[in-house]
Amino acid sequence: GESVGLHLPTLSVQEGDNSIINCAYSNSASDYFIWYKQESGKGPQFIIDIRSNMDKRQGQRVTVLLNKTVKHLSLQIAATQPGDSAVYFCAENMGGYSTLTFGKGTMLLVSP
Amino acid sequence: GAGVSQSPSNKVTEKGKDVELRCDPISGHTALYWYRQRLGQGLEFLIYFQGNSAPDKSGLPSDRFSAERTGESVSTLTIQRTQQEDSAVYLCASRRTGGTNYGYTFGSGTRLTVV
Repeated sequence: GESVGLHLPTLSVQEGDNSIINCAYSNSASDYFIWYKQESGKGPQFIIDIRSNMDKRQGQRVTVLLNKTVKHLSLQIAATQPGDSAVYFCAENMGGYSTLTFGKGTMLLVSP
Repeated sequence: GAGVSQSPSNKVTEKGKDVELRCDPISGHTALYWYRQRLGQGLEFLIYFQGNSAPDKSGLPSDRFSAERTGESVSTLTIQRTQQEDSAVYLCASRRTGGTNYGYTFGSGTRLTVV
């Protein structure tokens, strides 16, 4: 049954599909953004980051896109695998020692 | 150590009791953060340490919550007179200062259940 308190947006995809996870951030002064992956029972794990002077950055199977005009961040995962199933969080900060502010998270479910 | 270590991994306590949660950051990481994560929710900032001082403790939800840090090492988060709404996973993260990578390394968290 449904667990009380669970209301994360969920993206369900088939193995091999490309996944796009979106995030709207709040602070126009933020200049550094990170995507984290959190598997069940574990702490968040760094995936990829991007600075505000860039609009795209690529890693291994992942791409982050930043649109500062509309304060939107997206994470694209190519050829999604069952091991990609997790909750994905975007985070923003203003650089330096300021703290990271996390978004609410999106659950990605990958079916074999 | 190689990563951020938190203990205990699970803690069940009776309402009204005090609990202490421990975080061992990565050696050399001067910045340390505590976050709270309720079931199915995002990460809620609690407190930030730079060395053993806490320049930002704005996220502590009440005066029942306190934290301290010894030098640039271990930090302890204490919750007094626990309430059921304190049930959550408490995550600790650390970060080296200097350089241009502001990403945190997280521990696996302490799952606190108040019954």
